[in-house]
Amino acid sequence: DAEITQSPRHKITETGRQVTLACHQTWNHNNMFWYRQDLGHGLRLIHYSYGVQDTNKGEVSDGYSVSRSNTEDLPLTLESAASSQTSVYFCASSESRTGTYEQYFGPGTRLTVT
Amino acid sequence: EDKVVQSPLSLVVHEGDTVTLNCSYEVTNFRSLLWYKQEKKAPTFLFMLTSSGIEKKSGRLSSILDKKELFSILNITATQTGDSAVYLCASSFSGTYKYIFGTGTRLKVLA
Repeated sequence: DAEITQSPRHKITETGRQVTLACHQTWNHNNMFWYRQDLGHGLRLIHYSYGVQDTNKGEVSDGYSVSRSNTEDLPLTLESAASSQTSVYFCASSESRTGTYEQYFGPGTRLTVT
Repeated sequence: EDKVVQSPLSLVVHEGDTVTLNCSYEVTNFRSLLWYKQEKKAPTFLFMLTSSGIEKKSGRLSSILDKKELFSILNITATQTGDSAVYLCASSFSGTYKYIFGTGTRLKVLA
């Protein structure tokens, strides 16, 4: 069955360290998204990609970067982790070619920055 | 500024009750609205609505969109404890595949 996976599921890191969160989907979807979820804020878009070599900033992109070298993967990098980046991170994907657009989510990564 | 607002923020009901969750949106060139259910994990897709006045239904859950008044409702009839979750709605607009999410409604169903 097609799926979307994230790793690690839990991560504790120190302030200032670079951290990369992995997202891998086997849906063959062309759109991929990264969100963070915090109490009181719901899901906020960090970065997104509509295809290989395409990346775009979302509403809370400062301190984060992504790259898309193939269809399946969109890793999220925190360049220099800050305590304000402690959050739950969700990756999602969607298909635009069929005109349906609904997003399917990975299981999430809980990141703690100490 | 594009935004999605959900109400109420939280709700406590007893098993068997019927609940209505609200989602209003202000989105330029609206294209679609999604509803998700989130338990202690990733959001799971419930409905996608694009046309006004057409009800989507799945078991005890149903949803309808009003494009004139810019809102959607999610109804759950004969609630069960397994319906306890955060319900999210999200809206997208033409020219993009992004969605803007509301902050969610936390529903708790008591036995």
